[in-house]
Amino acid sequence: NAGVTQTPKFRILKIGQSMTLQCTQDMNHNYMYWYRQDPGMGLKLIYYSVGAGITDKGEVPNGYNVSRSTTEDFPLRLELAAPSQTSVYFCASSYGTEDEKLFFGSGTQLSVL
Amino acid sequence: SQKIEQNSEALNIQEGKTATLTCNYTNYSPAYLQWYRQDPGRGPVFLLLIRENEKEKRKERLKVTFDTTLKQSLFHITASQPADSATYLCALATTGFQKLVFGTGTRLLVSP
Repeated sequence: NAGVTQTPKFRILKIGQSMTLQCTQDMNHNYMYWYRQDPGMGLKLIYYSVGAGITDKGEVPNGYNVSRSTTEDFPLRLELAAPSQTSVYFCASSYGTEDEKLFFGSGTQLSVL
Repeated sequence: SQKIEQNSEALNIQEGKTATLTCNYTNYSPAYLQWYRQDPGRGPVFLLLIRENEKEKRKERLKVTFDTTLKQSLFHITASQPADSATYLCALATTGFQKLVFGTGTRLLVSP
């Protein structure tokens, strides 16, 4: 089992560029999440999904978009990248039962210059 | 406002001692609280979960307590080892869908 796989691991963008962060899981989890982690700050929830075709906003969704066409994949789209989006992005998944633990990917370090 | 607070200063202890990390929260009524470990350049890894009606939970050298009156959880690592050096995150969720809210984490350094 690979678990949660994120690509790329590192990326540098110029202001105004767009990109998609990929996330896939092979555990047949219903729930998937995108978090960002800034130095000295806790993980902040960007978007989450409770199943294919269903997505919802988290705490900090502005500047991002997501889609969930399959159970396995949950890509995060950045449109018009801004320096404020420089962060480490983590994708996570869980079965979705109450109090279920999250499985995280290894993260994507993104710099917007 | 709602807050989850963990000590931002690193905790330095000697090998063999017990490490105690603190997670305080305000204006939440969590149904449960989780602890994760995060190594540099890696994603968090789940360690333990404790529910609101539980006082204490143990797993090998790890122990978590949960005091809903004090609004605090303590995370203990007994007989600590250098391999325990990492950042430890607490996260809580209210009832219903589990949108976990994370603390900022405390870095633990265990020296030989």
